[in-house]
Amino acid sequence: NAGVTQTPKFRILKIGQSMTLQCTQDMNHNYMYWYRQDPGMGLKLIYYSVGAGITDKGEVPNGYNVSRSTTEDFPLRLELAAPSQTSVYFCASSSGTGKETQYFGPGTRLLVL
Amino acid sequence: QQQVKQSPQSLIVQKGGISIINCAYENTAFDYFPWYQQFPGKGPALLIAIRPDVSEKKEGRFTISFNKSAKQFSLHIMDSQPGDSATYFCAARSSGSARQLTFGSGTQLTVLP
Repeated sequence: NAGVTQTPKFRILKIGQSMTLQCTQDMNHNYMYWYRQDPGMGLKLIYYSVGAGITDKGEVPNGYNVSRSTTEDFPLRLELAAPSQTSVYFCASSSGTGKETQYFGPGTRLLVL
Repeated sequence: QQQVKQSPQSLIVQKGGISIINCAYENTAFDYFPWYQQFPGKGPALLIAIRPDVSEKKEGRFTISFNKSAKQFSLHIMDSQPGDSATYFCAARSSGSARQLTFGSGTQLTVLP
């Protein structure tokens, strides 16, 4: 049981490039989330999903896109990377019923130059 | 506005001392208040959580105190240890179906040996 896994761990992008951050969970959780973490700012919700085929915007969705074709996977797409997207990105999942714990992945550190 | 204010930003405590971190919220629709612990290079992990119908919850050396009328809650770490050195985030969950968490800005705790 690996929990929530994220790839890559670290990536450098040039301005204008695109990339996909991968997130997979093996806990059969319905709810999945993408956050970004900036120094001194806590975690901000980018997008979330309450089940396969269902996604919705969080607090800071601009410049990002998501899809949820399976229960396990919730990739985050960055289109036209900008320096403002330099951050650490965390994926999380929860069952959505009963226990409310969100389980976080190890994060992806992204640097846009 | 959905916001959770956390203080202090950083905290230095001697081994064996008590660490206290405070949070305040505005949205009365929040219905679940977790604390997350994050070590460098790792994702946040649930430490302890409380519901608003309880004024205090204790798990080992960690205690949450909750004041519903003041819309404030705090984390107390008794007998603080160097291994407790980490960043702590308070959070509040909205009562909507998405189970979204709004995070505080974090407190970097350093426990001196």
